Amino acid sequence: NAGVTQTPKFQVLKTGQSMTLQCAQDMNHEYMSWYRQDPGMGLRLIHYSVGAGITDQGEVPNGYNVSRSTTEDFPLRLLSAAPSQTSVYFCASSNLHYYGYTFGSGTRLTVV
Amino acid sequence: KNQVEQSPQSLIILEGKNCTLQCNYTVSPFSNLRWYKQDTGRGPVSLTIMTFSENTKSNGRYTATLDADTKQSSLHITASQLSDSASYICVVSAKGNNRLAFGKGNQVVVIP
Repeated sequence: NAGVTQTPKFQVLKTGQSMTLQCAQDMNHEYMSWYRQDPGMGLRLIHYSVGAGITDQGEVPNGYNVSRSTTEDFPLRLLSAAPSQTSVYFCASSNLHYYGYTFGSGTRLTVV
Repeated sequence: KNQVEQSPQSLIILEGKNCTLQCNYTVSPFSNLRWYKQDTGRGPVSLTIMTFSENTKSNGRYTATLDADTKQSSLHITASQLSDSASYICVVSAKGNNRLAFGKGNQVVVIP
């Protein structure tokens, strides 16, 4: 089925470890983004991209890096994991008119 | 202050009953408003999207209304089912801006 695929679904990291959350879409969407969702808070934008080779910071970018080498993939890197990064992470994509905004199923990350 | 406020924060309803969720926003200039359903442990799934000129839009037992003058929207669930138990998120976007403003969600629990 077409959509946004995120891996892994669950991850436990130790403080200071690094890892990459993967996101891929097969809808030829130009726009891709990463959000984190914490209890009692709305989804917050981490980073986004409007096309291959173009990325920009969102609301809460510190501690995260992204790259967009292809239209399909938009990985999120945690450079040195901290307990404050324990959260559920969602990747989303859309066309540049921001219709058809589609979310992945999420990655639940715990940093101990 | 959050640009999108949802109420009630949570509610419990009996199976078969109707309920209405509220969303007030301050985003300007307004482009469109979306309602998403998020099941526990899953990513948000789009229910409706409405532009400035649309007052009502339905998706099965879900009916969304929009009053762009008062900057209010509602989501009405008719004849609720157990599968309607979820968080319902109101999302508003501004013209010429790729940032989405997310509400914190209405948590609905349907009991038999």
